[in-house]
Amino acid sequence: GQQLNQSPQSMFIQEGEDVSMNCTSSSIFNTWLWYKQDPGEGPVLLIALYKAGELTSNGRLTAQFGITRKDSFLNISASIPSDVGIYFCAGRIMEYGNKLVFGAGTILRVKS
Amino acid sequence: NAGVTQTPKFQVLKTGQSMTLQCAQDMNHEYMSWYRQDPGMGLRLIHYSVGAGITDQGEVPNGYNVSRSTTEDFPLRLLSAAPSQTSVYFCASSPSGTLSYNEQFFGPGTRLTVL
Repeated sequence: GQQLNQSPQSMFIQEGEDVSMNCTSSSIFNTWLWYKQDPGEGPVLLIALYKAGELTSNGRLTAQFGITRKDSFLNISASIPSDVGIYFCAGRIMEYGNKLVFGAGTILRVKS
Repeated sequence: NAGVTQTPKFQVLKTGQSMTLQCAQDMNHEYMSWYRQDPGMGLRLIHYSVGAGITDQGEVPNGYNVSRSTTEDFPLRLLSAAPSQTSVYFCASSPSGTLSYNEQFFGPGTRLTVL
C-alpha cells in the first residue's frame, strides 16, 4: 500500500507565486526523488537527494532531504504557466527492499 | 537515442483477453521496471528486472508476467485481463550504479481499458 503521504493533493496558484509541497512517511528513506509529469507523458526526474539534510536546486526548483530521513519538500519559486503538471515524490526504503515507492502526486495548476 | 519506447499507446481489451505491452530502451540500461498509475494512487511497481534473465515482483504483481531475454526489451504480459487492470502503464529504465540507479527514465505510457 501507499507508504508516502504527499500534500497538498492539488494547488491552484497565481503566476509568479512560490509553491511548496512535501512528502512524509513513517519509514526511513535512503533516497528522495522528485518527478514532474506533463499531461499524456511519463514522469521526468527533477531532483534527486541522497543524504539527510541535503538541499539541492535545479533552476527555480529546490528540494531538501529531511534530517529525520522521513520527509522531503519541493519548492518552486516564481511559478510560470509551464509549471502546470503533476509532481510526484518518490523514495527508497530499506524495508521495501530499496524499491522505489511513489507518493500520490500534487496537481499544480497555474492561473496566468 | 529514442530513450524508452512503449507500444501500443492505447489499448482496449475485453475481460479475459490476454495481451503484451511492449517496452524497449536503447540506452543499455541494466535496470527496467513496470508501473501502473491509477488516479490518486501515484505509481505502483508491478515487476522489475536488474538485468537480462533476472526479474522480480513489485508491489502489485498479480495478473502480470514479465521476462527479460535481452537488455533492451522488457515486455509485460496480461494473462487474462480484468476491469481492475484498467490503468496507465509506464515502463522505466535506469543505469546500474549506486546513485545513477535511482534516476529512472520513463516511457510515454500505455493507456489500457478493460471492458
